[in-house]
Amino acid sequence: AQSVTQLGSHVSVSEGALVLLRCNYSSSVPPYLFWYVQYPNQGLQLLLKYTSAATLVKGINGFEAEFKKSETSFHLTKPSAHMSDAAEYFCAVTLNSGGYQKVTFGTGTKLQVIP
Amino acid sequence: NAGVMQNPRHLVRRRGQEARLRCSPMKGHSHVYWYRQLPEEGLKFMVYLQKENIIDESGMPKERFSAEFPKEGPSILRIQQVVRGDSAAYFCASSRAREGTEAFFGQGTRLTVV
Repeated sequence: AQSVTQLGSHVSVSEGALVLLRCNYSSSVPPYLFWYVQYPNQGLQLLLKYTSAATLVKGINGFEAEFKKSETSFHLTKPSAHMSDAAEYFCAVTLNSGGYQKVTFGTGTKLQVIP
Repeated sequence: NAGVMQNPRHLVRRRGQEARLRCSPMKGHSHVYWYRQLPEEGLKFMVYLQKENIIDESGMPKERFSAEFPKEGPSILRIQQVVRGDSAAYFCASSRAREGTEAFFGQGTRLTVV
């Protein structure tokens, strides 16, 4: 079975500070991992994805995430927070089995950016 | 190439009525997922469908909820005899069958039961 755990349902950072959103996964086989962002009253938008090509993945809006197999982690970071980064962020894992793949999401982390 | 289209965006139903939520996947996508999001809660998986086939419905309530993805036309999530607790945002996502591909989301349907 596969799952993801996001530590911290709410994270607050000051504008210009480092953003770190944590995600740990559980998967019996090498996973495909994703980060999505959801702005208020909108659907989810893909930020970045890990598909085993490189452990450090760069995404949109200056975000990046590093896959660490030894720690089963895929934390999302951004060097300097911007007010527009305030949103909810979801980590997700997908496992392909027999041509079918189920996407499993974490519970989400709401990021607040303080001016 | 249009994204995932969900309609209606907002739906108001009285208790006991039926709600039908539609989702048209992106072109070339054969897999559809439905999720429910309650205020201050995360995304709850409901059902995973391929055309004319339900792959995984482990997240669907046993009663009143059903989903389909016919050979032609959009995927439909149907809620019969709605109750106040069904009020939520329902999101549809679609993907290709290719391994490791991401899911693309629609804007959601916000169901309000009055």
